[in-house]
Amino acid sequence: IAGITQAPTSQILAAGRRMTLRCTQDMRHNAMYWYRQDLGLGLRLIHYSNTAGTTGKGEVPDGYSVSRANTDDFPLTLASAVPSQTSVYFCASSREGNSPLHFGNGTRLTVT
Amino acid sequence: RKEVEQDPGPFNVPEGATVAFNCTYSNSASQSFFWYRQDCRKEPKLLMSVYSSGNEDGRFTAQLNRASQYISLLIRDSKLSDSATYLCAVFYNTDKLIFGTGTRLQVFP
Repeated sequence: IAGITQAPTSQILAAGRRMTLRCTQDMRHNAMYWYRQDLGLGLRLIHYSNTAGTTGKGEVPDGYSVSRANTDDFPLTLASAVPSQTSVYFCASSREGNSPLHFGNGTRLTVT
Repeated sequence: RKEVEQDPGPFNVPEGATVAFNCTYSNSASQSFFWYRQDCRKEPKLLMSVYSSGNEDGRFTAQLNRASQYISLLIRDSKLSDSATYLCAVFYNTDKLIFGTGTRLQVFP
């Protein structure tokens, strides 16, 4: 079934550890996005990529990095996790800019 | 001022009621607008795109008012299954989709 796959589904991580959240889509969408969702703050854009080989900063990029080596994959890395990065992380993709986004199931991350 | 603002609610309405949500945005150059629905602990799902001429999908109607910079969602004949959080979203510069914080709807029998 076509769609977006995120892994892991959930993770408990010690502060200071490095963590990569994985995101893969098989819809051949050009654009991909990472959001975090926190109670009362809604969905906030972390990083995005309009096409393979390019990335851009969203609303809350600090402490996160991304890469887009190919069309399908868009991993999000926390180089040194902090408790304030405890959140639900959603990956999304769209055919192109200005097109509707389709979301993965999310990764629930707890940093202790 | 936030780029996209919504009344967080909750809106508590009886079955069969009509309910409307508004969402304001700050960037007058925005070109694409959407409403998403999100159920508890699930991913957001596209409800409908919002066009300048307004659009309707069954019991749902979306409107765009560029002059006042807001979009609206009208739900007629509310069902219990409509209970969810409704998120508006606005594209900035074609590459950043910014979401409002969401409006929670609870439909009761």
